[in-house]
Amino acid sequence: AQSVTQLGSHVSVSEGALVLLRCNYSSSVPPYLFWYVQYPNQGLQLLLKYTSAATLVKGINGFEAEFKKSETSFHLTKPSAHMSDAAEYFCAVSFTGANSKLTFGKGITLSVRP
Amino acid sequence: DTEVTQTPKHLVMGMTNKKSLKCEQHMGHRAMYWYKQKAKKPPELMFVYSYEKLSINESVPSRFSPECPNSSLLNLHLHALQPEDSALYLCASSQYRTSGIYEQYFGPGTRLTVT
Repeated sequence: AQSVTQLGSHVSVSEGALVLLRCNYSSSVPPYLFWYVQYPNQGLQLLLKYTSAATLVKGINGFEAEFKKSETSFHLTKPSAHMSDAAEYFCAVSFTGANSKLTFGKGITLSVRP
Repeated sequence: DTEVTQTPKHLVMGMTNKKSLKCEQHMGHRAMYWYKQKAKKPPELMFVYSYEKLSINESVPSRFSPECPNSSLLNLHLHALQPEDSALYLCASSQYRTSGIYEQYFGPGTRLTVT
């Protein structure tokens, strides 16, 4: 069965510091991987996706993620945090095929200190 | 236009009420989804419609009844809910294919409170 692990529940960084949010997946077949962001009282917004075209994926708002098959990881990074990045971040995995479902990690809260 | 709209934004209902949540997209997507999200938790899939037909029901209680009247609209009919059903209900849509996957686009959600 597919699964996603997001270690920790909360990350706090200073404004301007590097953001690193970790995601590891478990899969026996090539996965499709996604990062979503959720601001308070809003829906989920897609940040970026990995669909096997390139291992380094650039997304919106300056975020990027690198797919590492050997480490079964898809960590999200941003070189310089902004106050507006404070939100909940979800990593999700899915697989090819009809009716394929998204499996979400438990999410991680990012706080940005002034 | 990559927008999924949901109405209402907030809903308070008693346990004997009947209400409906509405979701609309105009992206030409042929897969639509309902999720339930409790506070500080990831979304949980409830239903999937593919080409206006129910393709996945994640063993959701019958007090939740989905409907897909056409390719742009998705409804969730609510009846005799319990207080533990209070949550954020999210709608999403995506393109549909039998191999590979397209990303899902989410609406802003309906915050439901059952009293």
